[in-house]
Amino acid sequence: SQQGEEDPQALSIQEGENATMNCSYKTSINNLQWYRQNSGRGLVHLILIRSNEREKHSGRLRVTLDTSKKSSSLLITASRAADTASYFCATDASGYSTLTFGKGTMLLVSP
Amino acid sequence: SQTIHQWPATLVQPVGSPLSLECTVEGTSNPNLYWYRQAAGRGLQLLFYSVGIGQISSEVPQNLSASRPQDRQFILSSKKLLLSDSGFYLCAWSGPRVSGLGQETQYFGPGTRLLVL
Repeated sequence: SQQGEEDPQALSIQEGENATMNCSYKTSINNLQWYRQNSGRGLVHLILIRSNEREKHSGRLRVTLDTSKKSSSLLITASRAADTASYFCATDASGYSTLTFGKGTMLLVSP
Repeated sequence: SQTIHQWPATLVQPVGSPLSLECTVEGTSNPNLYWYRQAAGRGLQLLFYSVGIGQISSEVPQNLSASRPQDRQFILSSKKLLLSDSGFYLCAWSGPRVSGLGQETQYFGPGTRLLVL
C-alpha cells in the first residue's frame, strides 16, 4: 500500500532536547504532510512539503524530504512538554484520490 | 474563518442499535469531506470521502454508510452497530484537489468517541 510508516513508534525525551521522527513511503508523491494529534483530539496540520522541495521550516519545526529514498523527517528543536502528542505523516500520491496517513509516532516530552 | 463541528463528542451504544454521527463545516463552500476511524493507539483509517452533494466514495466495505445531504454536512450512519465499530471517529474537510498541486491540507473536527457495548 501507499501508507507512510513512521519511525520510531514511540519516543521519550527531556524538555530542551530535539526530537526527530521519520516517515517512509512506497510510491511517488505530490506532497507529504505532517500532522499532530493531542490525546483524544482531532489532528492539526503542521507543515506541507511538496515533491520538488527538500527542506522546509516552520518555527521550531524542520521537515526534510528525500524523494530518492522515499523518506521524510520531522525535527522538533528545543522540545517542550506541550509538544507531547502523536505525530503523523500523510502522503498525497499520484493516482490516489486522498491522503494516506501513517500509524504515527507517539512523542513524550518530560519536564 | 472556517470551522468544523462534530457531534456528539462521546457516545455509548448497545450492539445492534443504529448510529448517526454528524459533521458540519462553516466558512467554506464545496469542500471535500472525509470520515476516518481511529482505533486506540492506531493510525487513521479512511472510511468515506465526498467531493460533492450526494457523491460518496467508500474506502472500506463495512457496516457503515455515509451521506452528504447538503454541501457542508456529512453524516455517518449504521443500521446495526457491531462491537468492532467502537473507536474514535474523525471528520475532516479540505479544498478541492488542484491539478499539478495535489491534495492540500485537511482540517479535522474534534472527533466522536464511540463505545459499543
